[in-house]
Formats: sequence, structure tokens, C-alpha cells
Amino acid sequence: SQQGEEDPQALSIQEGENATMNCSYKTSINNLQWYRQNSGRGLVHLILIRSNEREKHSGRLRVTLDTSKKSSSLLITASRAADTASYFCATAYSGAGSYQLTFGKGTKLSVIP
Amino acid sequence: DGGITQSPKYLFRKEGQNVTLSCEQNLNHDAMYWYRQDPGQGLRLIYYSQIVNDFQKGDIAEGYSVSREKKESFPLTVTSAQKNPTAFYLCASKVAVAAYEQYFGPGTRLTVT
Repeated sequence: SQQGEEDPQALSIQEGENATMNCSYKTSINNLQWYRQNSGRGLVHLILIRSNEREKHSGRLRVTLDTSKKSSSLLITASRAADTASYFCATAYSGAGSYQLTFGKGTKLSVIP
Repeated sequence: DGGITQSPKYLFRKEGQNVTLSCEQNLNHDAMYWYRQDPGQGLRLIYYSQIVNDFQKGDIAEGYSVSREKKESFPLTVTSAQKNPTAFYLCASKVAVAAYEQYFGPGTRLTVT
């Protein structure tokens, strides 16, 4: 499978600062999703952006998608200590009707109070 | 409360033993998934099922087996043929085959010594 790659692998910021994570992928997609994982827990869906969308907002989250560069970014504004977690991008392909997700390796975000 | 449950949270086994991980959902979702996560890595798909009594291999199915006898249950057996079974195992589901957002359980951490 064609895994996405997040960048950076780890990010440490002060509370109140903005956090930006990037994701690159290799093949054409139907949509791209971002998930959050607290340490030792399951993943939680944050936001989905379709291939025909360029930007999407949800609360303090802003996601952009550039299909020409095969890349996406997740911006968390005014970060809080509770945002400390790993963030994964997942790309969705619709080939063969399987609608599978392919996950990247994640960005580990630490927000320092 | 609707959701996905995985039990147990921690599981310890001796090498050479088969072990079955439980995954139950009461969301009435059609599709269910099993992923494996290693430290600092993304999720890799082991098996998935789109309807009862049917399932397909994912990217790393060797050494694993599943069953889907009931819509709400999708147990994963880690067999002795799996060469490196120690990992964090995540179960997920989604409402329909053509949906994209996945809902995750809390995970089971399996340690084989």
C-alpha cells in the first residue's frame, strides 16, 4: 500500500502557539482524513477533506489539500496542553470498491503548558 | 452508549500459543477492520470485513485469522505462525462499505514472550 508520510515526526510547542503538520501521499485519492491518537488509545476522526476541496475548517482545525503536490496540512490554532497527541493522515482510495484507508506514520505533538 | 469495545486492554502470551482478541461494536456498522500498530509507526491493515460471513486479507494478513459470524463481532486470532506478534492492535468499524470515516476501539496491547 502507498503510505502517506507526515512531517515533522515530532513537534513541541508552547501552549497558545499554532501547530502545523504536513502529509504527503503518492497516488490519486478520493479524500484525505486526519485522525488523532492519545497515547495508548484508539484513533479519533478529526476532519475529512475531499479531493475537490482545497480548505476546510472545524473549530480550531484548518486543513488544506493540494492534489497537484499530493500534500495536505493540518493547522491547530491556539494550541492547548490537551492537544498533546499523535496526529495521523489517512488517504482514501476507491479502487475496486474497497474504500480502504492508508495511514501515515504520524506526527507526535507535545504542547507545553 | 454506542461504540466499539476491545478486550482485554493488555494481553500476555507465551511464544507458540494462539491468542484471540475480541472486538465488539453496537453501532450497527457494516464494515469492520483490524489494524496493527508498532511503536512510532502508522497503522497497517490486517483483515477487513464488509458483511457478515465475508472477510478479506489486508496488507499483513500472514499469521492472523478472523471470523465474522455476527454483524457486531469481528474477533482476531494471532496464531503461532505470526513471527513478531507483539504490537498494539486496533479494531475499527464504519457505517457502510462506501463510507470513509472509521471509528476505532481503544486497542489491545499484546505482548508475546
